[in-house]
Amino acid sequence: GENVEQHPSTLSVQEGDSAVIKCTYSDSASNYFPWYKQELGKGPQLIIDIRSNVGEKKDQRIAVTLNKTAKHFSLHITETQPEDSAVYFCAASMRGAGSYQLTFGKGTKLSVIP
Amino acid sequence: DAGVIQSPRHEVTEMGQEVTLRCKPISGHNSLFWYRQTMMRGLELLIYFNNNVPIDDSGMPEDRFSAKMPNASFSTLKIQPSEPRDSAVYFCASSHSGGRNTIYFGEGSWLTVV
Repeated sequence: GENVEQHPSTLSVQEGDSAVIKCTYSDSASNYFPWYKQELGKGPQLIIDIRSNVGEKKDQRIAVTLNKTAKHFSLHITETQPEDSAVYFCAASMRGAGSYQLTFGKGTKLSVIP
Repeated sequence: DAGVIQSPRHEVTEMGQEVTLRCKPISGHNSLFWYRQTMMRGLELLIYFNNNVPIDDSGMPEDRFSAKMPNASFSTLKIQPSEPRDSAVYFCASSHSGGRNTIYFGEGSWLTVV
């Protein structure tokens, strides 16, 4: 089955700096890579996702890049703000008929220091 | 939209007692997932339902765990008898057509077994 590795497990940045979280996956058949943000006491919420036919996707201060050859993808947050502090999870799955399994990384706790 | 609704939000119970967690998926979603989150193991898929039918329960830890989905708008996860190692946050999530589309998580049920 799929295995997703996520690094780092914790990350502290100064407000205004950029944050980068990296993930690798094992199954070359995976073609859908969402990122979730989990705030304290809440469930994970999707913040951005990317499909294997795209190399990069941006949404305001958040961007995700994908390297299918190397089987790794990254989340980039620019101009970090205190409200970005949360646990971020990457995930990988196959998007196709009958697919449902979303394999998560172990999470990265991001702290943005004011 | 009301989102995925879970109850109870918090539960403290004694070892050996039965625990029932409840979930109401987003209206119109035909896929439902139960996840367990712990510090040690991260987010683990316990069981997946599609159109009210359990498709994959390979993540259910043991026979003490059972899940049902009697209709499209309700699911339960039951632990009987509960043990301290079952202490975790249990998330219910739903989507339209499995992993092909965004999976939305509820706020979670925080279970403590003493």
